[in-house]
Amino acid sequence: KAGVTQTPRYLIKTRGQQVTLSCSPISGHRSVSWYQQTPGQGLQFLFEYFSETQRNKGNFPGRFSGRQFSNSRSEMNVSTLELGDSALYLCASSSSFGATYGYTFGSGTRLTVV
Amino acid sequence: DQQVKQNSPSLSVQEGRISILNCDYTNSMFDYFLWYKKYPAEGPTFLISISSIKDKNEDGRFTVFLNKSAKHLSLHIVPSQPGDSAVYFCAVRDSGGYQKVTFGIGTKLQVIP
Repeated sequence: KAGVTQTPRYLIKTRGQQVTLSCSPISGHRSVSWYQQTPGQGLQFLFEYFSETQRNKGNFPGRFSGRQFSNSRSEMNVSTLELGDSALYLCASSSSFGATYGYTFGSGTRLTVV
Repeated sequence: DQQVKQNSPSLSVQEGRISILNCDYTNSMFDYFLWYKKYPAEGPTFLISISSIKDKNEDGRFTVFLNKSAKHLSLHIVPSQPGDSAVYFCAVRDSGGYQKVTFGIGTKLQVIP
């Protein structure tokens, strides 16, 4: 059974640009959550999608957005990149929201903004 | 507003001894508590969880304790092994709404051979 796939693994962007990250959940999982990991801040929740609808949202500015497609794949977009957006972005999938049996995480996309 | 606090950024333990990782939370409406382990360059992996109706859950070398009155969660690893060296995150789930899951900032465990 394939795991959670995130693409690309690494990305370097310039300040002011925009970026789109992709996440393919485990087959059959309908919930996809996104987290940002930075040193000293741990895993900061961005948003969660379930059946193409955003169910939960963290405290990030509107430059961070996402969507989920009918096949449960999800994309996250960051516009007008800032240096502080450099982080590891993790996607997690679950069969339902709430993750009673835990999320399954992908390996992440390492975004560097220069 | 940190709802989940892991106050120890790092912990060093001798191989074979007990490792105790702690987590405090602020909201009594959390109904599910989880621990994840993360190695460098990998995503976190689910380790163990506990429901708010229990006070202890055990899985092999890993035991999670929940003290609801103190709003405190701990993970015990006995005996500790060098392969346990990783960052450990505790996470809590909101009982209401769409059951949002919030993570702590993590504790880096080093098990010394």
